[in-house]
Amino acid sequence: GIQVEQSPPDLILQEGANSTLRCNFSDSVNNLQWFHQNPWGQLINLFYIPSGTKQNGRLSATTVATERYSLLYISSSQTTDSGVYFCAVGGGSNYKLTFGKGTLLTVNP
Amino acid sequence: NAGVMQNPRHLVRRRGQEARLRCSPMKGHSHVYWYRQLPEEGLKFMVYLQKENIIDESGMPKERFSAEFPKEGPSILRIQQVVRGDSAAYFCASSPSPNSEQYFGPGTRLTVT
Repeated sequence: GIQVEQSPPDLILQEGANSTLRCNFSDSVNNLQWFHQNPWGQLINLFYIPSGTKQNGRLSATTVATERYSLLYISSSQTTDSGVYFCAVGGGSNYKLTFGKGTLLTVNP
Repeated sequence: NAGVMQNPRHLVRRRGQEARLRCSPMKGHSHVYWYRQLPEEGLKFMVYLQKENIIDESGMPKERFSAEFPKEGPSILRIQQVVRGDSAAYFCASSPSPNSEQYFGPGTRLTVT
């Protein structure tokens, strides 16, 4: 099956800083999603981005499908951005999402 | 448009009891997926269902676990004779079509005592 690797595993920032999270995957995909799991455990959809670039407020994401990676950018981070960020991919006839292990982001005031 | 709904949000069961987890997909979505988040293991796919059909159950444990998505009503994930190792967060997701964006519910936290 598809392998998904996320980096870095942990990231600590001061409020206001910018960050880039990376997701590498081992095969071609037709589904790629970024999620934020908040401290209450809820999974929040951030982006559906099998290719291209999208922006939503302070967040943006880019997927380069031919090179098998995706990047999530967080600008002007806030304490409410803290939590775990997951990348999940689906490929071929596989409708299931395979999740990476996540990046634990801590934003300090 | 209401999101994916799961209930109960928290469920406590003693070893040997049955657990029933319910998932109502978003309106207009006929594709349902169940995932499990075990401590230290991350999120793993369990099963994919369409109305009245199980499409892919490759992630389901072979015993004690079953899932259904009837013509009417929510999708049900059933765990019989629960053991402590079943303690986890169980998430349901839905999508309008295969390989489109999956929307996740708030999860059911199962604790087996």
